[in-house]
Amino acid sequence: AIRMTQSPSSFSASTGDRVTITCRASQGISSYLAWYQQKPGKAPKLLIYAASTLQSGVPSRFSGSGSGTDFTLTISSLQSEDFATYYCQQYYSYPRTFGQGTKLEIK
Amino acid sequence: EVQLVQSGAEVKKPGESLKISCKGSGYRFTSYWIGWVRQMPGKGLEWMGIIYPGDSDTRYSPSFQGQVTISADKSINTAYLQWSSLKASDTAMYYCARLGVNTAMVEDYWGQGTLVTVSS
Repeated sequence: AIRMTQSPSSFSASTGDRVTITCRASQGISSYLAWYQQKPGKAPKLLIYAASTLQSGVPSRFSGSGSGTDFTLTISSLQSEDFATYYCQQYYSYPRTFGQGTKLEIK
Repeated sequence: EVQLVQSGAEVKKPGESLKISCKGSGYRFTSYWIGWVRQMPGKGLEWMGIIYPGDSDTRYSPSFQGQVTISADKSINTAYLQWSSLKASDTAMYYCARLGVNTAMVEDYWGQGTLVTVSS
């Protein structure tokens, strides 16, 4: 199975900050990467697929980039509602696999 | 409006069987894969497997193959996840999710989750 590694696992930031989360695949996955946001007690929410395509309804402050093995999720200006846990997922091959998550907390 | 509505929380004893459900509405159920994802308490997301309700084609993660059964009843737009003999380690939140045709076949709509607690 392809291993997905996110960094950092957690960090603190303030509203208005620009934030970048990194996801690395153990082998090349082209652009078959999605990003999800999960808030406590809620189901995950799709933010980005195909590495850089914003899901309908997701604010434009979210963006994704990368291909092959290295990917990033960027939030250009953190809002209060963005404090959550973020997961990357590869769907290049079965089984699909998620990163371990990055918890974004308020500083 | 696309909706996935999961069955309610369950409390079971080790060794018992269980079948939880995920009912889709607002779209053609038979034309979209449905997946299941596990989240153990305080932990991350784990992909379990998927089913295509149109023909019941199923794919499992090796981590869950033989441990659970994924099925679907297209006549009532419902997918299922079942265990024949639960273990304490099956305690988790389980989510179903639709794989969107227009979103590169990723999990675009999610159910609200079913909490399964296995305890003696």
